Amino acid sequence: NAGVTQTPKFRVLKTGQSMTLLCAQDMNHEYMYWYRQDPGMGLRLIHYSVGEGTTAKGEVPDGYNVSRLKKQNFLLGLESAAPSQTSVYFCASSSQASQPQHFGDGTRLSIL
Amino acid sequence: QQQVKQSPQSLIVQKGGISIINCAYENTAFDYFPWYQQFPGKGPALLIAIRPDVSEKKEGRFTISFNKSAKQFSLHIMDSQPGDSATYFCAASMMAAGNKLTFGGGTRVLVKP
Repeated sequence: NAGVTQTPKFRVLKTGQSMTLLCAQDMNHEYMYWYRQDPGMGLRLIHYSVGEGTTAKGEVPDGYNVSRLKKQNFLLGLESAAPSQTSVYFCASSSQASQPQHFGDGTRLSIL
Repeated sequence: QQQVKQSPQSLIVQKGGISIINCAYENTAFDYFPWYQQFPGKGPALLIAIRPDVSEKKEGRFTISFNKSAKQFSLHIMDSQPGDSATYFCAASMMAAGNKLTFGGGTRVLVKP
């Protein structure tokens, strides 16, 4: 019972490089979310999706893009990484808005 | 502007004691208030949640108290155990707006044996 799986778990990038973080869920959930976690600031919503083919901006969307081509996958892209994007990224999913969000174990991203 | 403020940032409690974490929110449209528990290297996991039409909810040793007029809610951990040592986050959301969670800054709890 995998739940929410994030890949990779760790990554180091140089400023200006690009990369994609993958989130996969096997619970047939409609809603998916990307958060970033920084010390003392809790988690902040980057982008979210309410269903396959839909995406919307969250609280801190600048510098990130997302895609939800398949219901089970939610991709987070950094086109030109900046040191300010060093963080731990968490993906979450829920079956509907009234249900709890289930989180993955995160991707630790460092940008030098 | 931090819409959900959490205190304290850290807390040390003896085994068997009570841990109390407080949160205050600003947006009166919030209608769902969950608490998450996070262990190092893991994602947050839902601990307990409350809706604003209820003033208190208890699940085992964990209780949420909710004060709608003061726009405050708190988590009480009774009979704290070393296994409760973790970081706790309060959050708030509007269910009708995609349930986008707004998190507090977190409280690191250490339970000493």
